[in-house]
Amino acid sequence: DGGITQSPKYLFRKEGQNVTLSCEQNLNHDAMYWYRQDPGQGLRLIYYSQIVNDFQKGDIAEGYSVSREKKESFPLTVTSAQKNPTAFYLCASSIVRDSHEQFFGPGTRLTVL
Amino acid sequence: GQSLEQPSEVTAVEGAIVQINCTYQTSGFYGLSWYQQHDGGAPTFLSYNGLDGLEETGRFSSFLSRSDSYGYLLLQELQMKDSASYFCAVRSFSGGYQKVTFGTGTKLQVIP
Repeated sequence: DGGITQSPKYLFRKEGQNVTLSCEQNLNHDAMYWYRQDPGQGLRLIYYSQIVNDFQKGDIAEGYSVSREKKESFPLTVTSAQKNPTAFYLCASSIVRDSHEQFFGPGTRLTVL
Repeated sequence: GQSLEQPSEVTAVEGAIVQINCTYQTSGFYGLSWYQQHDGGAPTFLSYNGLDGLEETGRFSSFLSRSDSYGYLLLQELQMKDSASYFCAVRSFSGGYQKVTFGTGTKLQVIP
């Protein structure tokens, strides 16, 4: 079955540690996205990538970094510079950059202690 | 900048019809999408409007008026499983890149 996987579902880290969230898709989609969702809030765009080896900052990129070395993978690193990293992180993909439908992974809930 | 407004909560009775509105302000507007998200789950795509008018998909319909910067999602024959959050999302183009901006969501509670 094609889809988007994110691992792990729950992640705990100590303050000051960097942590990398995994996102893999086997849908052969060109575009991939990372969003952050806080309780009662909408989705805020962190980074997006239209093609391999290219990515753009979203609205709240500070304290985060990404890479897109392979089409199917778009890992997100939450660095110690992110002041409030505890949140629900969602990865998504779309067929091409102009597609209006995004497919979401199950999300990773990160808690920084 | 870009902004979207939608009601934070709506309550409706099972079997009834409910409309969730979305107004937006954006440059480079391209279209309006709607997503459903159950608690703790991933958003799933419901509908998209690139042109003015009504799009119907089963019990769900979505409407767009570009001149009014306004759209809505219409849910008919409400079922208990429709209790979820609904997000409108604006597609826009800026600097050659597509961007999608989500609203803060409307939590729909369906009651018996």
